[in-house]
Amino acid sequence: AQKITQTQPGMFVQEKEAVTLDCTYDTSDQSYGLFWYKQPSSGEMIFLIYQGSYDEQNATEGRYSLNFQKARKSANLVISASQLGDSAMYFCAMREGYSSASKIIFGSGTRLSIRP
Amino acid sequence: GAVVSQHPSWVICKSGTSVKIECRSLDFQATTMFWYRQFPKQSLMLMATSNEGSKATYEQGVEKDKFLINHASLTLSTLTVTSAHPEDSSFYICSARPAVMGRGNEKLFFGSGTQLSVL
Repeated sequence: AQKITQTQPGMFVQEKEAVTLDCTYDTSDQSYGLFWYKQPSSGEMIFLIYQGSYDEQNATEGRYSLNFQKARKSANLVISASQLGDSAMYFCAMREGYSSASKIIFGSGTRLSIRP
Repeated sequence: GAVVSQHPSWVICKSGTSVKIECRSLDFQATTMFWYRQFPKQSLMLMATSNEGSKATYEQGVEKDKFLINHASLTLSTLTVTSAHPEDSSFYICSARPAVMGRGNEKLFFGSGTQLSVL
């Protein structure tokens, strides 16, 4: 079974609009972490935002916010005021457990394209 | 911020040769490093967890004799693709997390990746 599900293979958004990228996850662990990474065409993985399972507040990092719905097991990424430079692949990821050895697995990704 | 250095960035080799990829954490110690493989337009697939001073843990379906991992120190892990064949051509990317977990250390830091092309 898929642990991380991203149902949007691709999205087109007009510049300056907000965009929500969907992510649902499946785990029986009580302690876990959720991440969003951006991968531009260069291939590098850029960390965007992190949400711990025990964090009560939704995480925010500048224009990025994570809409964490624990009961629904969803962790959607919201990008406000999109920019042309936001065009990239976006991956949702999950770490089960809380140790330095806990592996992180990735969803299939969403390709976001920003229209000028 | 924390930096993970990965070399080489790209490599072209003949079928049957072995290729070594290095992953170094430059400003933190990492008891664990992770190796991922990514095919074009696909997600990152975890290949193995590299553990300092002990054997790597491979994911199901990954051949341990094909992809040799050595984590000789707290800052260096290597992945050797042995007897490479064209089907091994892929983007390989390593990642590491500081050994001490804590606020701000949850995320993985990634190397810049290695594009392997086997002719």
